Amino acid sequence: DGGITQSPKYLFRKEGQNVTLSCEQNLNHDAMYWYRQDPGQGLRLIYYSQIVNDFQKGDIAEGYSVSREKKESFPLTVTSAQKNPTAFYLCASSVSDFYGYTFGSGTRLTVV
Amino acid sequence: AQSVTQLGSHVSVSEGALVLLRCNYSSSVPPYLFWYVQYPNQGLQLLLKYTSAATLVKGINGFEAEFKKSETSFHLTKPSAHMSDAAEYFCAVPSGTYKYIFGTGTRLKVLA
Repeated sequence: DGGITQSPKYLFRKEGQNVTLSCEQNLNHDAMYWYRQDPGQGLRLIYYSQIVNDFQKGDIAEGYSVSREKKESFPLTVTSAQKNPTAFYLCASSVSDFYGYTFGSGTRLTVV
Repeated sequence: AQSVTQLGSHVSVSEGALVLLRCNYSSSVPPYLFWYVQYPNQGLQLLLKYTSAATLVKGINGFEAEFKKSETSFHLTKPSAHMSDAAEYFCAVPSGTYKYIFGTGTRLKVLA
């Protein structure tokens, strides 16, 4: 079945460490996204990519980095510069505005 | 810029009662509007979408939404709530090519 796989589901890291969240899709979608979800704040866009080897900052890109070397993969690195990294992170993909997004099941990152 | 507002961060209904979750978009008529549902610790699933083909849209799990231009609204309804409907619901609208803006979400609680 086609879909988006995010791994791991839960991730614990010590403060000051970089951590990379994985997102892989087999839907052949061109566009991929990373959102951060905090209680009561909805979804906030971190980065998005509409094509391989190209990506753009979203609304809250500071302290995060991404790469898009393959169409199927869009990993997110949470760096030590991110002041409050504990959150639920969602990856999504899209083929066009008409179809909306397909979401992964999320990664809950806890930094202690 | 396009935006959506969801009134009521928490809504409680009795099992069997009408569910009404509110979403208002900003003044310009969007080409598409979406409702997504999120169960605890999961990603978002598409419930239904408006595409201008019809103002009353039927989705999965018995939900429907009506697009009302005069009220700039796209409220989500279900005639009879079921315990399994307890989840968080998000309204979303395109904001630029391949990008969406999400509302802050409404958490639905269903009382036995």
